[in-house]
Formats: sequence, C-alpha cells, structure tokens
Amino acid sequence: TQLLEQSPQFLSIQEGENLTVYCNSSSVFSSLQWYRQEPGEGPVLLVTVVTGGEVKKLKRLTFQFGDARKDSSLHITAAQPGDTGLYLCAGEDNAGNMLTFGGGTRLMVKP
Amino acid sequence: NAGVTQTPKFQVLKTGQSMTLQCAQDMNHEYMSWYRQDPGMGLRLIHYSVGAGITDQGEVPNGYNVSRSTTEDFPLRLLSAAPSQTSVYFCASSYEPGMYEQYFGPGTRLTVT
Repeated sequence: TQLLEQSPQFLSIQEGENLTVYCNSSSVFSSLQWYRQEPGEGPVLLVTVVTGGEVKKLKRLTFQFGDARKDSSLHITAAQPGDTGLYLCAGEDNAGNMLTFGGGTRLMVKP
Repeated sequence: NAGVTQTPKFQVLKTGQSMTLQCAQDMNHEYMSWYRQDPGMGLRLIHYSVGAGITDQGEVPNGYNVSRSTTEDFPLRLLSAAPSQTSVYFCASSYEPGMYEQYFGPGTRLTVT
C-alpha cells in the first residue's frame, strides 16, 4: 500500500497570512491530486499534477509536484476565510486503478 | 444533471444488522468507487469498479460487498454491521481512475451501536 502523509494536520491562521501544506510519500505516484472538502460535503478537485517538477497556479493557490513524484505542496498566498476547509492530497497508484489519500490538513482562516 | 447521488444521508444500525448504501451517477462514468472517511485518516478506498460487471477490492474491503449491474449504480452492502464500521461513506465516479477528476457524492453518515 502506498502511503501519503500530510502536514500539518491542523492549521489556524489569520486572514492575509501565507501558508504551505505538504504531502509526502516514500513511493512514486503517476499523478497527484489536491481536493478541498467542506463540512457535510464530498471533496472537490482543485488540481491534478502529472509531471515531476510541475507547478500549477489557481488564483492564490500554488501547487507543486516534486521532481521525483514522491511529494507535493500547496501554498496559499494571503489566505481568506473562504479558504477554510479540509485539504486532501491523493496519489494515483502505478497500475492506475486506485487513489491513495493523505490524512488531510484542516485549515481555519480567521477574519 | 444530478451528478453523484447517495442515499440515505444518515443511518443508525445495531450491531449485526445488514444494509445497503445506494450510489448513482448520471454522467456515464465507467469508474466508480466507495471510500470511508474517519477522523484524521483521510479517505480509504473500500471497493471500486472499472465498468459494469467488474469490481475489485480496495484498501479496506472486509465486511463490505459491492456489485455493478449497470453503469449508473454501485451499491455498497454491509453484511453484518460492526461498531468499527461507524464512519462517513463517500461514493465517487470518474471517466477513468487516477488522473481524472473524481466526482464525489454528499456522503452517508453511518453509526453502528
């Protein structure tokens, strides 16, 4: 089983601060996705990264896939209360049949 | 276009009871999957299907059965509920597994007493 570890588990910051969430594994993934989940709802896809070293930007969110495709990071610039939620990374196994999810980072942005 | 629907939204079972969680999608996706979500553990894959008539086990399949008779429906059966199966269950679908977006349903919160 391929494992994904996310850090930190919890993060509480003030509006306007920057933050970085990490997703690490000892295994290589074919691709990696980041999801955001709000209470009482299912996760919603933010981005998919496929190529080692790839960087994708989504407004104030910047996603990076490690060169060796074993790790990824999510950086949020000038966080807003609307960014509050559970952030999950998920890696595609080499057979392409399953996603392995990390334990999640619960982010709270205070106004 | 309803996307992925799940019923019921909440369920309480006694130990030993059986039940079926329903999942349906109207996007003509071939790939469907069931996850359970427990605090601090993200989502863990229970079973998945790459098309009608084809199912396979995920990371935590024990105590659960699935079948896929149509493209649209993918029910999850709990054979004999145990307190360890208390969790939130999510169904998801996509065109293919892996790098394609997984569309998740709203979840079923199950409590086993």
